[in-house]
Amino acid sequence: KQEVTQIPAALSVPEGENLVLNCSFTDSAIYNLQWFRQDPGKGLTSLLLIQSSQREQTSGRLNASLDKSSGRSTLYIAASQPGDSATYLCAVGSGSARQLTFGSGTQLTVLP
Amino acid sequence: EAGVAQSPRYKIIEKRQSVAFWCNPISGHATLYWYQQILGQGPKLLIQFQNNGVVDDSQLPKDRFSAERLKGVDSTLKIQPAKLEDSAVYLCASSPNRGKAYNEQFFGPGTRLTVL
Repeated sequence: KQEVTQIPAALSVPEGENLVLNCSFTDSAIYNLQWFRQDPGKGLTSLLLIQSSQREQTSGRLNASLDKSSGRSTLYIAASQPGDSATYLCAVGSGSARQLTFGSGTQLTVLP
Repeated sequence: EAGVAQSPRYKIIEKRQSVAFWCNPISGHATLYWYQQILGQGPKLLIQFQNNGVVDDSQLPKDRFSAERLKGVDSTLKIQPAKLEDSAVYLCASSPNRGKAYNEQFFGPGTRLTVL
């Protein structure tokens, strides 16, 4: 059974800092990995999707990497802004039924 | 292209009452998922449909939860009777069966349920 862990559970940084969020998973037989953003009381916004054959994806100030063999992914946020404050969720796609297993998220606060 | 639609956005009920949530997936998406997200946790899959058939409902509490997708398009999730621990956000997602977005899930805004 796939298990996904996100560390840290919460993170507070001053504006302008670069930061890294971590995600680890137990079963390396995945077909993709997605990073989502969730604002309080809202649904999920997809940030980046990495296919199992890829090593990284970039979108603006965001860069996500994937190391299947070690069961790890990182989300790098450059030059953080207060608007980046949200919960970031990592989800791993695996299994023939194409299901996502989510971590519990990292709650990020960027202080002005 | 319209996204995944869900209604209502918020619902407050008393325990032992019943409640129903509705989801309309992205047009043409054959696979539909319902997730439950308890505060402070990641979403947990409740049920997965492929067209109007159930692929996986192993984590659906079948004594009180039911779901259907009769015409292979929109879906309804029902809770009867509700318990306090059912307070959560219920998310619907859909996924195409082919094309560039195959294997990607697209999420609706969710329904926040509070059981008093």
